[in-house]
Amino acid sequence: GENVGLHLPTLSVQEGDNSIINCAYSNSASDYFIWYKQESGKGPQFIIDIRSNMDKRQGQRVTVLLNKTVKHLSLQIAATQPGDSAVYFCAENIGSSASKIIFGSGTRLSIRP
Amino acid sequence: NAGVMQNPRHLVRRRGQEARLRCSPMKGHSHVYWYRQLPEEGLKFMVYLQKENIIDESGMPKERFSAEFPKEGPSILRIQQVVRGDSAAYFCASSLQLAGHQETQYFGPGTRLLVL
Repeated sequence: GENVGLHLPTLSVQEGDNSIINCAYSNSASDYFIWYKQESGKGPQFIIDIRSNMDKRQGQRVTVLLNKTVKHLSLQIAATQPGDSAVYFCAENIGSSASKIIFGSGTRLSIRP
Repeated sequence: NAGVMQNPRHLVRRRGQEARLRCSPMKGHSHVYWYRQLPEEGLKFMVYLQKENIIDESGMPKERFSAEFPKEGPSILRIQQVVRGDSAAYFCASSLQLAGHQETQYFGPGTRLLVL
């Protein structure tokens, strides 16, 4: 399943399928981007980050893609599992000092068995 | 290898009382950040502190809110004369923050403040 932008706050995906969560950012000066996962009642958990001099970065089962031309960021989760159910936030940072992270409004990912 | 610690996890206060939220950063981290989260919303930056210094407080309300990170002990977010609108989850994060580098911020479990 694919979520287009942050207009759809909930994404429902079949277990085992790939998930794609999209995020648009507004500040062209942003140079560091992070994806966080937040489960109910918990704090945000770092998933993966990417700097503006890259367009792709891979982790374990996750890939982040950055398109600076259209100011778009996406998180791909391979073989989605029930434990992936959470709210996912993209976040951006401006400048060389990570003094302030700007969070997006989030996308809730739910997994269908 | 303990992560960021926050306490209390839940705090109930009546209007007009004071709330004190504590945050112990990860071992070796000397930079602390506080964020506020309302239900179904993203986190909003409040303040960034290093030991004994406030670096950026652009997200802090001008009145009733203060933060400190003393040389010894945890960082404290203090809310005086709480109002119902202060009810939220307050998260602390910490980082290594090497000069000129962007370091990942690691979050604590949060304190859920309820003002009656």
